Amino acid sequence: DIQMTQSPTSLSASLGDRVTITCRASQSISNYLNWYQQRPGKAPKLLIYAASSLQSGVPSRFSGGGSGTEFFLTISSLQPEDFATYFCQQSYTAFTFGPGTKVDVK
Amino acid sequence: QVQLKESGPGLVKPSETLSVTCSVSGFSISSAYYWGWIRQSPEKGLEWIGSISNSGNTFYNPSLKSRLTISLDTSTNQFSLNLSSVTAADTALYYCVRRIVGTLGGFDAFDIWGQGTMVTVSS
Repeated sequence: DIQMTQSPTSLSASLGDRVTITCRASQSISNYLNWYQQRPGKAPKLLIYAASSLQSGVPSRFSGGGSGTEFFLTISSLQPEDFATYFCQQSYTAFTFGPGTKVDVK
Repeated sequence: QVQLKESGPGLVKPSETLSVTCSVSGFSISSAYYWGWIRQSPEKGLEWIGSISNSGNTFYNPSLKSRLTISLDTSTNQFSLNLSSVTAADTALYYCVRRIVGTLGGFDAFDIWGQGTMVTVSS
């Protein structure tokens, strides 16, 4: 099984801050890496697919990158609706999710 | 727009079979895509359960495969999950999802999610 880890587990940030979350895979997954946002009480929402492609309708302040075993999600200027939990997910072999990174208000 | 909505029993007794159905609107499930299930619990986080293609080919999480059946009902535009011999470890929020696989390398993601249905395993 491919294991996914994320760092940090949580972070506190202010409106307008630039935030970066890191995701690591236990083995190379090429660019088969997706990012999701989950707000409290809601289902996850696809933000980024194939490591760096922005899903339709997602604001351009979200960006992703990386390949192989290390990936990142960046929010360039944090907005009120961005306080949520973010998950990475690999689709190289079956599907596994990271444990999540909670972004809350500083 | 495409919408997915789960319906489930809420409570299932240990050793019994958990059955959850996903109703799809705005798209014919027999036309394209893969349709599947993901569950979420505080203990295990987000866990992929399995998927079924629009033509009925199934793909299961190996850890659940021996207890799992996913099926498609094109007449009602629904797909279903059956998980047998449940234990408390199967208590979770169950989501139905659409899986999209694109031509772009690396494009394989869950792009549409239902709202989720909570299933508790308890006597």
